[in-house]
Amino acid sequence: DGGITQSPKYLFRKEGQNVTLSCEQNLNHDAMYWYRQDPGQGLRLIYYSQIVNDFQKGDIAEGYSVSREKKESFPLTVTSAQKNPTAFYLCASSTSGSGDTQYFGPGTRLTVL
Amino acid sequence: QKEVEQNSGPLSVPEGAIASLNCTYSDRGSQSFFWYRQYSGKSPELIMFIYSNGDKEDGRFTAQLNKASQYVSLLIRDSQPSDSATYLCAVIQYSGTYKYIFGTGTRLKVLA
Repeated sequence: DGGITQSPKYLFRKEGQNVTLSCEQNLNHDAMYWYRQDPGQGLRLIYYSQIVNDFQKGDIAEGYSVSREKKESFPLTVTSAQKNPTAFYLCASSTSGSGDTQYFGPGTRLTVL
Repeated sequence: QKEVEQNSGPLSVPEGAIASLNCTYSDRGSQSFFWYRQYSGKSPELIMFIYSNGDKEDGRFTAQLNKASQYVSLLIRDSQPSDSATYLCAVIQYSGTYKYIFGTGTRLKVLA
């Protein structure tokens, strides 16, 4: 059953903590993306990766970090430097980074306590 | 000016009617256009994409693209209450790298 999985579905973070959001895909896609969605707003790109061991900053990368050690996995770490991390985080993937259709995982809702 | 603009709505239509959702974009060089549906609390799911001027039909959905006027629209025929969701327009721009730009979405309410 091919698709994109994200875990956990809900995550609670205390002030000053780093947390890592998981994203895995078995679609054999080269490109993967992380977006943040706030209520009533569009999707904003945090980081993207077009190939293993390479990634680029998106529009709002400050306070976040990623790694791409395997084709299937693209974890996102929300660091304590991110001052307003409460949001819905969406991972997506596409066949390549050349304008192909993006498909989304189910999302992780992060709340800062 | 926002790069991709959508009316936030809500757009209310009666069941069985045609719902018309519109999206305008600022970059004339935009190449590909996508419509996603997002139910409350869920992730976006692809409805359809369109690359060329004109209409593209898929079941009850029709995407319309007019590059000269820089707008793309989505028509939903025979609207059902289950179509009630937020519809996101996405546009691909190319300036050295390909970049997806999403609109903020239009909330559609289909009234039974």
